[in-house]
Amino acid sequence: GESVGLHLPTLSVQEGDNSIINCAYSNSASDYFIWYKQESGKGPQFIIDIRSNMDKRQGQRVTVLLNKTVKHLSLQIAATQPGDSAVYFCAENWDAGGTSYGKLTFGQGTILTVHP
Amino acid sequence: KAGVTQTPRYLIKTRGQQVTLSCSPISGHRSVSWYQQTPGQGLQFLFEYFSETQRNKGNFPGRFSGRQFSNSRSEMNVSTLELGDSALYLCASSLVPGGDYGYTFGSGTRLTVV
Repeated sequence: GESVGLHLPTLSVQEGDNSIINCAYSNSASDYFIWYKQESGKGPQFIIDIRSNMDKRQGQRVTVLLNKTVKHLSLQIAATQPGDSAVYFCAENWDAGGTSYGKLTFGQGTILTVHP
Repeated sequence: KAGVTQTPRYLIKTRGQQVTLSCSPISGHRSVSWYQQTPGQGLQFLFEYFSETQRNKGNFPGRFSGRQFSNSRSEMNVSTLELGDSALYLCASSLVPGGDYGYTFGSGTRLTVV
């Protein structure tokens, strides 16, 4: 069935380092991918998204890479800060037959801890 | 601009009871989706509504239902509560279905079934 999984459940880095969070997805028909950050007691917060017709997209301090050949997604955070500590989820959205469906399939999440 | 508002924030119910959760989307957003988050299963899609119609449904039993009103506000209902229904229920809104402009999540309703 459809599933999105993460290779590493936890990631610890030092402040100022670059962080890379990985995600594998299984549905080759997925055409839209989103990274979310979730802090304790809050809902997921949008970080960056990418469509399947792109390989890379950059935001402020974040970059998402998409490799459709191996169905792999990654989130790179530059100069990681303590405020980046949170759980990070990747999610995929499947567009069936040209009609967008609002069903996100989430990965299990990666806990990012940034040490000062 | 107000975000997605979910009420109540916390809820404690007894097994067998039913519960109704409310979600007010961002002004102008017409699509509302619901998700269940548990430590064991993670974030799972429940259903999505657009223009008062359910467009997609996840793999949950019929005890889970929802609806959307003409002002885009949405409610979800869980009947005959079970201990396993204890979870954080999240609502997300989007301008249009499919999240072409991204999904914005609320802070959720924490439901505890005892």
